[in-house]
Amino acid sequence: GAGVSQSPSNKVTEKGKDVELRCDPISGHTALYWYRQRLGQGLEFLIYFQGNSAPDKSGLPSDRFSAERTGESVSTLTIQRTQQEDSAVYLCASSPNAAGANVLTFGAGSRLTVL
Amino acid sequence: AQSVAQPEDQVNVAEGNPLTVKCTYSVSGNPYLFWYVQYPNRGLQFLLKYITGDNLVKGSYGFEAEFNKSQTSFHLKKPSALVSDSALYFCAVRDQTGANNLFFGTGTRLTVIP
Repeated sequence: GAGVSQSPSNKVTEKGKDVELRCDPISGHTALYWYRQRLGQGLEFLIYFQGNSAPDKSGLPSDRFSAERTGESVSTLTIQRTQQEDSAVYLCASSPNAAGANVLTFGAGSRLTVL
Repeated sequence: AQSVAQPEDQVNVAEGNPLTVKCTYSVSGNPYLFWYVQYPNRGLQFLLKYITGDNLVKGSYGFEAEFNKSQTSFHLKKPSALVSDSALYFCAVRDQTGANNLFFGTGTRLTVIP
């Protein structure tokens, strides 16, 4: 597609429920990144994919968080048993590949609110 | 390990005055350095990047940044601030060798006062 598409744009859920956030990167971009941005704070790295592999999962906050990518395209970030501290905007970005000085193109984000 | 520091959470500047948003970095090798901007209710946008060569990099909207290897800094500058420059600015770094992750700073909120 023309840009990075994320869905849903807004999600309100109850504590303890599972949520799935979707990212559709720019066509042909082999690298895909997930970041979290809490209100008024900076970007917290979660995970990145090169193709369908995730070389660096070090940013995932706990085992409640997981992500997958299929077909070198769409990625899904899953948060199980959501907690209130998971409330944030989840940003996805893609780039032609993960190396060098490639620029990331960001989606508009998925705003998650856990009640 | 890679890291980025943006020492100022908030920078205020009068319209027409020069602005500087500070960034320092830490990498084991040579860095790729980036600035991104987040306007209110909009996604993050790329401003400029340093790869190699000239220490002064020019980017979008009249912004520029100066790479200083001895001070491990990459400060963002603009000669004359506009009210429309008010936004959240992020510095980011990637090591030229090794890990391909891109690490962001905590962001600096720039407010340009009319």
